[in-house]
Amino acid sequence: EAQVTQNPRYLITVTGKKLTVTCSQNMNHEYMSWYRQDPGLGLRQIYYSMNVEVTDKGDVPEGYKVSRKEKRNFPLILESPSPNQTSLYFCASREFWNTDTQYFGPGTRLTVL
Amino acid sequence: AQTVTQSQPEMSVQEAETVTLSCTYDTSESDYYLFWYKQPPSRQMILVIRQEAYKQQNATENRFSVNFQKAAKSFSLKISDSQLGDAAMYFCAYRSAYYQLIWGAGTKLIIKP
Repeated sequence: EAQVTQNPRYLITVTGKKLTVTCSQNMNHEYMSWYRQDPGLGLRQIYYSMNVEVTDKGDVPEGYKVSRKEKRNFPLILESPSPNQTSLYFCASREFWNTDTQYFGPGTRLTVL
Repeated sequence: AQTVTQSQPEMSVQEAETVTLSCTYDTSESDYYLFWYKQPPSRQMILVIRQEAYKQQNATENRFSVNFQKAAKSFSLKISDSQLGDAAMYFCAYRSAYYQLIWGAGTKLIIKP
C-alpha cells in the first residue's frame, strides 16, 4: 500500500528540548516536503526536497532543519522548540512533476509548552 | 510572489443543495495551474479538480465545477447536490512554473442533513 508514515502522531514537549519527527514514504518519490497547518493560515511549507541530498527552504523555515540522506526518509528536526512551533505538521511526497497525486502523512500534533 | 486567498473559513449547506467556495490568487505568471483539494478527517489530501490557466473552459468533475475568471484572478468551486461525504476542509492551491504549490488557508465545509 502506497503511504507516507509519520511518527510520532502526538507529541507534547517543553521549550528547548530537541525533537525529531520522522517521515517515510514507500513510493520512491523524488519530492518530499514538510508543512505546518495552523487555523486561518492553511498549509505553509517549511522545507522541501527534490531528491537525496537536495533540500531547500519553503515559506517558514526558521527554527527547523531537515535532512535527506535516503530517498524514502525526510525527518524534520526542531533543535530548540518554542511555543510558536505548536502546530499540526504534515509530511508529503509526490513525483516531482505530478501535483495531481500527492500523498500526505497522517499528521503530527505538536505542543510546545 | 504568488499568493492564494480563501476568505471563507467555514461554510455550511443543506444536504442536496449547492454551495460555492471562493478563492482568489495573485500572480504575474501567465501559465499556471489551479487546484481544489479536499482534506477529510483522515487528513489525506484528495484532488477534487484542476484548471489549466491557458484553458478558457471551466473544469468539471461530476458534481464539482469551477468558475475560473483569469482576469479577475478568481477560482471558485461549486459543489452541486451536496452529500454528507463532501464534508471536509477544502484547499485552493496554485502551482507555479517550478512545480511548487502555494496553498490557501482552507474552508471548512459542513453539510447539514
